[in-house]
Amino acid sequence: GAVVSQHPSWVICKSGTSVKIECRSLDFQATTMFWYRQFPKQSLMLMATSNEGSKATYEQGVEKDKFLINHASLTLSTLTVTSAHPEDSSFYICSAREFGGSNQPQHFGDGTRLSIL
Amino acid sequence: GENVEQHPSTLSVQEGDSAVIKCTYSDSASNYFPWYKQELGKRPQLIIDIRSNVGEKKDQRIAVTLNKTAKHFSLHITETQPEDSAVYFCAAFTGGGNKLTFGTGTQLKVEL
Repeated sequence: GAVVSQHPSWVICKSGTSVKIECRSLDFQATTMFWYRQFPKQSLMLMATSNEGSKATYEQGVEKDKFLINHASLTLSTLTVTSAHPEDSSFYICSAREFGGSNQPQHFGDGTRLSIL
Repeated sequence: GENVEQHPSTLSVQEGDSAVIKCTYSDSASNYFPWYKQELGKRPQLIIDIRSNVGEKKDQRIAVTLNKTAKHFSLHITETQPEDSAVYFCAAFTGGGNKLTFGTGTQLKVEL
């Protein structure tokens, strides 16, 4: 149980392109999903918290117009990197929190490796 | 906000030995402490977690201990195997922040 699916797993695109990443909870409902960014050999950096039916909460320093988040249902959140540039290249990982309270376990997707040329 | 420190950053052990990774947290209101294992290029996997009303939890070769007074928690892996080699992250959850704060990670290498 508690499977989170993330697509695509790998994206290579030109500078200026917008890239959309999907995160789905397959066997549980997730009112809250999270988007992280991870640089090589570093920890997970929270970018934003995605709440179903409401606006996302962004961490300090994360541009909300650059990283658009939509959480339209209890099983799907999307992250769109708008007008991506080489400095946006990174490993992006989503996670979904099990329903039932704010301190429930979080489960991660496989991540998306984004490379901007 | 919450701050989580994790030590050591790298740990090498011989197969069959035990491994211990320690984390400290700053916010006394934190009440949930998961541990994740991340293999190279893969997702972090939840391996064990503990809540603040429990002092110890065990699952086969893995155990976690929590000392609320000292605000630290530890991961213990016994009888280590080569497949235990990975990066391990601790995390602490604070309701006020509604998010997990992760430690900096420990690269565990189990040598034959």
